Amino acid sequence: EAGVAQSPRYKIIEKRQSVAFWCNPISGHATLYWYQQILGQGPKLLIQFQNNGVVDDSQLPKDRFSAERLKGVDSTLKIQPAKLEDSAVYLCASSRGQIYGYTFGSGTRLTVV
Amino acid sequence: SQKIEQNSEALNIQEGKTATLTCNYTNYSPAYLQWYRQDPGRGPVFLLLIRENEKEKRKERLKVTFDTTLKQSLFHITASQPADSATYLCADHRGANNLFFGTGTRLTVIP
Repeated sequence: EAGVAQSPRYKIIEKRQSVAFWCNPISGHATLYWYQQILGQGPKLLIQFQNNGVVDDSQLPKDRFSAERLKGVDSTLKIQPAKLEDSAVYLCASSRGQIYGYTFGSGTRLTVV
Repeated sequence: SQKIEQNSEALNIQEGKTATLTCNYTNYSPAYLQWYRQDPGRGPVFLLLIRENEKEKRKERLKVTFDTTLKQSLFHITASQPADSATYLCADHRGANNLFFGTGTRLTVIP
């Protein structure tokens, strides 16, 4: 099966600019996640979707981050305005259930200067 | 607060030896623990899942144990190879199907 697709792979922006990341999960996976991974740390959950509904966004900084999953397939994560501390890898993952593990994309490396 | 911790930031071992990585959790009892491998510039790759009522799980050269008394999971790679060099992450399930990750252990297998 095809993997989780993410784009772009790299992005460099200035602080206070906006940026968007795109994710296409594995076909048939109802659950989609966005994680933030800062260098040297484990991934941290930002938001979880079940189909096109939000299940958990408790750790999403909603004053600057937003995410949507239209039609329960693709998803976009947006940051506006970006801060220096948002520099990280943003990982998208999908899953068909708890016992199957998550399939991650290769991530988008964001550098805010 | 609930914590999942991987105590070793880095581990170096000789090729052919068994690598043992540790994951500890405090103040809760996860129903599942998962282990992932992450290579530089790539997303984590799922390796194994172990349930709280399972003592041990195996997959080829990999073995995971789950000790609910010690609140610990051990991840073993037998007959290690340089290609096993990577960061290994443990993660637990909390709430509605969410995974919380440890900080990872960077394993280097020396030829």
